[in-house]
Amino acid sequence: DAMVIQNPRYQVTQFGKPVTLSCSQTLNHNVMYWYQQKSSQAPKLLFHYYDKDFNNEADTPDNFQSRRPNTSFCFLDIRSPGLGDAAMYLCATSRDSGQFVQPQHFGDGTRLSIL
Amino acid sequence: GDSVTQMEGPVTLSEEAFLTINCTYTATGYPSLFWYVQYPGEGLQLLLKATKADDKGSNKGFEATYRKETTSFHLEKGSVQVSDSAVYFCALKGTGANNLFFGTGTRLTVIP
Repeated sequence: DAMVIQNPRYQVTQFGKPVTLSCSQTLNHNVMYWYQQKSSQAPKLLFHYYDKDFNNEADTPDNFQSRRPNTSFCFLDIRSPGLGDAAMYLCATSRDSGQFVQPQHFGDGTRLSIL
Repeated sequence: GDSVTQMEGPVTLSEEAFLTINCTYTATGYPSLFWYVQYPGEGLQLLLKATKADDKGSNKGFEATYRKETTSFHLEKGSVQVSDSAVYFCALKGTGANNLFFGTGTRLTVIP
């Protein structure tokens, strides 16, 4: 089945140690998103790629960066994780044709813990 | 700006009870509206959607009607099951926008 795959499901890192989360998709969607979801809260958009164009949300900390080397893969890099960055990170994709509204498809998320 | 206000939970119902989760929105133009469901330890799954006024989205016994006059998109199900226990998010996609605005989520627990 075509899907959005996030690896790993659980990631533990040390305070201040860089960490990378990965997302891949077999849907061939042109838009990919990264959301942060803290416990009992709604997902919060960090940034998204529209094709190769990177779009950062105004309140996304500089500590968070992203790379999209090709259509299928997108990475979330956290340069110096703090305790407040412990959360579930959700990757999503959608096909935006500019005319029809397409829903976003989510992966199962990576739960990040900071020691 | 665009926003979604969702009924706060948690909601606890007995099996076969009727479910309503309220959702209202604020947006300019003609947004698209969605309900997503999140089961424990998993990502979000699209439950249903509506892209214009008076559209009714439906899936797995759940329904929601896009009411522009009341700016609402309430989720309903006539008879809930234990397997419906999850967190439900109402979401909005603004005209010309790519990102979703989510409500705060409503946790539903269905007891046998």
